[in-house]
Amino acid sequence: GAVVSQHPSWVICKSGTSVKIECRSLDFQATTMFWYRQFPKQSLMLMATSNEGSKATYEQGVEKDKFLINHASLTLSTLTVTSAHPEDSSFYICSAGIVGLYNEQFFGPGTRLTVL
Amino acid sequence: EDKVVQSPLSLVVHEGDTVTLNCSYEVTNFRSLLWYKQEKKAPTFLFMLTSSGIEKKSGRLSSILDKKELFSILNITATQTGDSAVYLCAPTQGGSEKLVFGKGTKLTVNP
Repeated sequence: GAVVSQHPSWVICKSGTSVKIECRSLDFQATTMFWYRQFPKQSLMLMATSNEGSKATYEQGVEKDKFLINHASLTLSTLTVTSAHPEDSSFYICSAGIVGLYNEQFFGPGTRLTVL
Repeated sequence: EDKVVQSPLSLVVHEGDTVTLNCSYEVTNFRSLLWYKQEKKAPTFLFMLTSSGIEKKSGRLSSILDKKELFSILNITATQTGDSAVYLCAPTQGGSEKLVFGKGTKLTVNP
C-alpha cells in the first residue's frame, strides 16, 4: 500500500517552455501533497505544500508564479514549471501525506528535468 | 529555527562491516522521526520512530530513538554493496505536515 507515482520520470525541454509533472497517490487518498526539489549531492528542499481544493503554500524563496501547483483531487497534484530555464534543471519529487498523529509521507519516484 | 544534523556526512566501509548513522534534531512539538534510504531515485521509507528506547528492526537494519537527548541512530549490520545510498532522517512535528530533512549520510559499501 501507500504507492505514489510521478509522470514523467524524466523530461528534456527547451528553455522558455513549460513542463507539467503529475503526482498521483494510487491506493490511498492524500490530504496533502508536497513538492520537493533536489540538486545534485544536496538534500531534499521543500518547495510547496498543497491541499486538495485550496491554494498551495510556498516555501520562502520559491516563486509561485513560476512553479504552479494544482491539487485537483485527493489523488492528484500537478506541478508546472513555467518558462523553464537551465537553472530549473533538477530532480523534482512529490510526496503524499496521510495526516494523522504521526504524519507519514510517501514519496513518488521523482522526475528528472533537464532544460536545454 | 528547526535543525536536523546527520553524521557522518559520508562513510566508506567494506562489505560485512557494521555501521551506525546518527541523527540529532531540534524541532518544536516533535511527533516522530522518519528514516529514508535514497539511492538514485526518490527516498524509500525505512522506519518511523515515535517512542524512546524501542528498537525497530527490519532485517539487517535497526533504529532507535532517544527523545530526551533528541537523537536517533540507524544501524546496519553485515553491510552489503546494495546498502550504498544516502540515508536521510526527518522529524515530524505536531501542527505541521512538513518534513525537515537532514543533509543525509552518504554510505558507500565496497566489495
